[in-house]
Amino acid sequence: AQSVTQLGSHVSVSEGALVLLRCNYSSSVPPYLFWYVQYPNQGLQLLLKYTTGATLVKGINGFEAEFKKSETSFHLTKPSAHMSDAAEYFCAVSPNYGGSQGNLIFGKGTKLSVKP
Amino acid sequence: IAGITQAPTSQILAAGRRMTLRCTQDMRHNAMYWYRQDLGLGLRLIHYSNTAGTTGKGEVPDGYSVSRANTDDFPLTLASAVPSQTSVYFCASSEGSRSLYANTGELFFGEGSRLTVL
Repeated sequence: AQSVTQLGSHVSVSEGALVLLRCNYSSSVPPYLFWYVQYPNQGLQLLLKYTTGATLVKGINGFEAEFKKSETSFHLTKPSAHMSDAAEYFCAVSPNYGGSQGNLIFGKGTKLSVKP
Repeated sequence: IAGITQAPTSQILAAGRRMTLRCTQDMRHNAMYWYRQDLGLGLRLIHYSNTAGTTGKGEVPDGYSVSRANTDDFPLTLASAVPSQTSVYFCASSEGSRSLYANTGELFFGEGSRLTVL
């Protein structure tokens, strides 16, 4: 069965520091990969996604993620954290069933805190 | 732009009562989903619908039912609520084509319905 693992349920960084949120997936066939962000008391919104093509994908608010097939990883990064980045981040995969797409499977989430 | 509208936003319910969470979308998306979000467990899929008239079970369907009479509405019903169904419920939609070459897979979420069962 497909699964998504996010390392660290809570990550704390200082404002201006590098943000690194880790995500690994289990799949024998490269799936579609997503990062969603959830601000307090809101629904999730798409941050970025990888489907095909370039393995480094850029999203909103300066975030980017790199798909590494050999490592089955899709880590999220941002060079310089801002206070407004404080939120919960979810990695998700959409399994590839031989050309047909499965339902999204979410990781358990990583809550990012940004210290002034 | 409304997107996904959920109601109610918050509800306290006695155990054993019946409850329906409403979800309406105005994007003409084919697929709709219900997730529950619990601390430390992330989002878990309850039920989904690939198109009007069809529904399917997700990861945690027990105690819940759904219907999809038309494209826009996807209500979630708890026939007899239990305390373990205390959670935040999110409705979502997507364009819905299952082809990898036609569907980006992006989900659009509502603001959530916070349900407490006592």
